[in-house]
Amino acid sequence: SQELEQSPQSLIVQEGKNLTINCTSSKTLYGLYWYKQKYGEGLIFLMMLQKGGEEKSHEKITAKLDEKKQQSSLHITASQPSHAGIYLCGARPDYGQNFVFGPGTRLSVLP
Amino acid sequence: NAGVTQTPKFRILKIGQSMTLQCTQDMNHNYMYWYRQDPGMGLKLIYYSVGAGITDKGEVPNGYNVSRSTTEDFPLRLELAAPSQTSVYFCASSASAARNEKLFFGSGTQLSVL
Repeated sequence: SQELEQSPQSLIVQEGKNLTINCTSSKTLYGLYWYKQKYGEGLIFLMMLQKGGEEKSHEKITAKLDEKKQQSSLHITASQPSHAGIYLCGARPDYGQNFVFGPGTRLSVLP
Repeated sequence: NAGVTQTPKFRILKIGQSMTLQCTQDMNHNYMYWYRQDPGMGLKLIYYSVGAGITDKGEVPNGYNVSRSTTEDFPLRLELAAPSQTSVYFCASSASAARNEKLFFGSGTQLSVL
């Protein structure tokens, strides 16, 4: 079965700093999703990557799927307190199979 | 713009009590899911449904039951609540099980069993 690992588990950064969160899969990824969770709220979809080498950006958040398609990174530029939360990566191993999720990375941004 | 709606947001139960977590979606999605989230453990699938009248177990189904009588609703029943069921519960839905089909999540239910 496919497993997703995330690093780091938690991260505390000063406002304005850049940071990167990684998601590593035990098998080839055919679609990798990034979600963000704020306290008391559900998971908000950030972006999805499908092709090796693909890169997507939304505001100050950029996600990449590496060429070998077993790792994805989420990069935040000039972090803000609004970026704080838990970031989870998720993937559906194959058609008809259920999603698997990484354990999450808890991000705190200090003003 | 309702999407996936869960109720209640918070609940405290005593050991042995029962309750139902409600989930409804207005996107006409066939697939619905219940997850629980424990600190540092990510999301674990409890039950899922591929359409009205069809449900199946996920990774951690013990102590829970579900039903799917309509496309919109997918309630999760806890019988004889135990402290191990203290967790945050999320309902989700998707249009299909294709690899590029994302999940839509509800806002979660924080449950404490004391």
